[in-house]
Amino acid sequence: QKEVEQDPGPLSVPEGAIVSLNCTYSNSAFQYFMWYRQYSRKGPELLMYTYSSGNKEDGRFTAQVDKSSKYISLFIRDSQPSDSATYLCASLFSGGYNKLIFGAGTRLAVHP
Amino acid sequence: ETGVTQSPTHLIKTRGQQVTLRCSSQSGHNTVSWYQQALGQGPQFIFQYYREEENGRGNFPPRFSGLQFPNYSSELNVNALELDDSALYLCASSLQFQGGEQYFGPGTRLTVT
Repeated sequence: QKEVEQDPGPLSVPEGAIVSLNCTYSNSAFQYFMWYRQYSRKGPELLMYTYSSGNKEDGRFTAQVDKSSKYISLFIRDSQPSDSATYLCASLFSGGYNKLIFGAGTRLAVHP
Repeated sequence: ETGVTQSPTHLIKTRGQQVTLRCSSQSGHNTVSWYQQALGQGPQFIFQYYREEENGRGNFPPRFSGLQFPNYSSELNVNALELDDSALYLCASSLQFQGGEQYFGPGTRLTVT
């Protein structure tokens, strides 16, 4: 079992839709969770960074963590064609050093 | 504020050769991590450097090695290249005690033929 699981998609939605991206993780010791956006042939860009359970909102993006079910979500409101990218969820392993453990990424296409 | 930069952008090597990839950290960051991203996969942690020493390593063989310099820039060296080493190699910089906030460079795409 992978430590972080993510549905690879692809996910195709019309412009203006609400997008829901999801991951699960297996290690209950994980406390920090991240969402990265990666455009084609580019490096990942940090979108959201959350600690423990709860919600965090930044503009059109909301990150949600439910530690009881080991579930991580990213919601995108009023999606735009420029949101078309691969979205990577990650958990942080901290044990003397800091290692990000990524899911496989979900490809999102927002069409006009 | 200068972001993370990597060189070269692309590289083509032959199986058995050696390669060196370079990374400059974001201004003010003292920790560098390297990741390998195969096509269609998430990045996989190779190792991390802090204060010029390797302080953590993922499941990669010893032919993957690195260096960190006093200005916090870093190199990734891969010896005896194999076809499966073809991937996007990503460098990420951070502050040691804010390890979750890792900022990535654009990556180096390595093709091994």
